Amino acid sequence: ETGVTQSPTHLIKTRGQQVTLRCSSQSGHNTVSWYQQALGQGPQFIFQYYREEENGRGNFPPRFSGLQFPNYSSELNVNALELDDSALYLCASSSDREENIQYFGAGTRLSVL
Amino acid sequence: RKEVEQDPGPFNVPEGATVAFNCTYSNSASQSFFWYRQDCRKEPKLLMSVYSSGNEDGRFTAQLNRASQYISLLIRDSKLSDSATYLCVVNMGTGGFKTIFGAGTRLFVKA
Repeated sequence: ETGVTQSPTHLIKTRGQQVTLRCSSQSGHNTVSWYQQALGQGPQFIFQYYREEENGRGNFPPRFSGLQFPNYSSELNVNALELDDSALYLCASSSDREENIQYFGAGTRLSVL
Repeated sequence: RKEVEQDPGPFNVPEGATVAFNCTYSNSASQSFFWYRQDCRKEPKLLMSVYSSGNEDGRFTAQLNRASQYISLLIRDSKLSDSATYLCVVNMGTGGFKTIFGAGTRLFVKA
């Protein structure tokens, strides 16, 4: 096990609602990245947080936002949910002392109806 | 053009076969490179880092060619347990950190 935990494991929402996903990083890791993985595709980078600041962002609209806390855990918030937001959301933690190798949690599977 | 492109799969091979996966990336400023493995409905797990000098771990060998912007993974003596999706991963650190995953290549190893 990687020591990265995500909650909840599954979630069902309706279009227009808001959702918050949570991630606890591996001990000693100061960086958290979030990904969206649609069925049959590779993970798509949403953003990364390093020491509580956004450190990089992929091609996702502003309704995808995040936070990182002093203990390096993180949240992903998605507003105004759309049907296409249905996917597996993965969190990965890493350390700048370890070549940015990322260790993934088991993910949250979000279904938007 | 996609930033990271992999061989389209799936690859169907018998046990004991040698199989090679290829990956190309478009951004010459890319900094670090990895192969991850993902089992069905599970999270990606690091298989190995990729270096220009080559990297070998048992039956697995990874190679990076920066001039050609090309990454490879070779699996020798395939096992049934090697059946999975193999993801090529590139990290870019300029203008904000970004990680790009390829779409993955699915491998089926048959008895």
